Amino acid sequence: NAGVTQTPKFQVLKTGQSMTLQCAQDMNHEYMSWYRQDPGMGLRLIHYSVGAGITDQGEVPNGYNVSRSTTEDFPLRLLSAAPSQTSVYFCASSRTTGAYEQYFGPGTRLTVT
Amino acid sequence: EDQVTQSPEALRLQEGESSSLNCSYTVSGLRGLFWYRQDPGKGPEFLFTLYSAGEEKEKERLKATLTKKESFLHITAPKPEDSATYLCAVQPSGSARQLTFGSGTQLTVLP
Repeated sequence: NAGVTQTPKFQVLKTGQSMTLQCAQDMNHEYMSWYRQDPGMGLRLIHYSVGAGITDQGEVPNGYNVSRSTTEDFPLRLLSAAPSQTSVYFCASSRTTGAYEQYFGPGTRLTVT
Repeated sequence: EDQVTQSPEALRLQEGESSSLNCSYTVSGLRGLFWYRQDPGKGPEFLFTLYSAGEEKEKERLKATLTKKESFLHITAPKPEDSATYLCAVQPSGSARQLTFGSGTQLTVLP
């Protein structure tokens, strides 16, 4: 199993550009989520999904869209990039919404200039 | 609002010098408390889940304990390879949103 994979690993965008961060898992997990990690602020939840076709907002959803058409994939879309979105983004998955450990991907480091 | 505070922010130990990391939390009903390890440039790696006060779990040189208001990660006789950032997170009961993370403790173990 590859676990949770993310692409790209690094990305530089100009303000106003849009892009999609890809996330896939091969563990048949129901629950998937996106976090951003900023220095001194810990991991903050952006959006999450409890199953295919079901998504909801986390703590910091503004400026981001998600969809979940399959169990395996959970892409994160930046609609119009802003410098405040410069961060490291992590995708995670877990078996269900119960108290099960989350498995994290390797992250995408995004810089918006 | 759920809150997780970790202390200290950074800790430097000599190899073999045991210590503890603290995670204080405020949550409206705890479903689970999680400890993760994060190496530079990588995603967090799961270590432990604790569910109720009094519970303890061990893995090699690490032992995690839980009370009603805080959790400790005890590191016994650490080695340089234990150097990493240790993250604590809580999952409130009755929520599908899962984890609220603390900002972590950066541990450096010197040879």
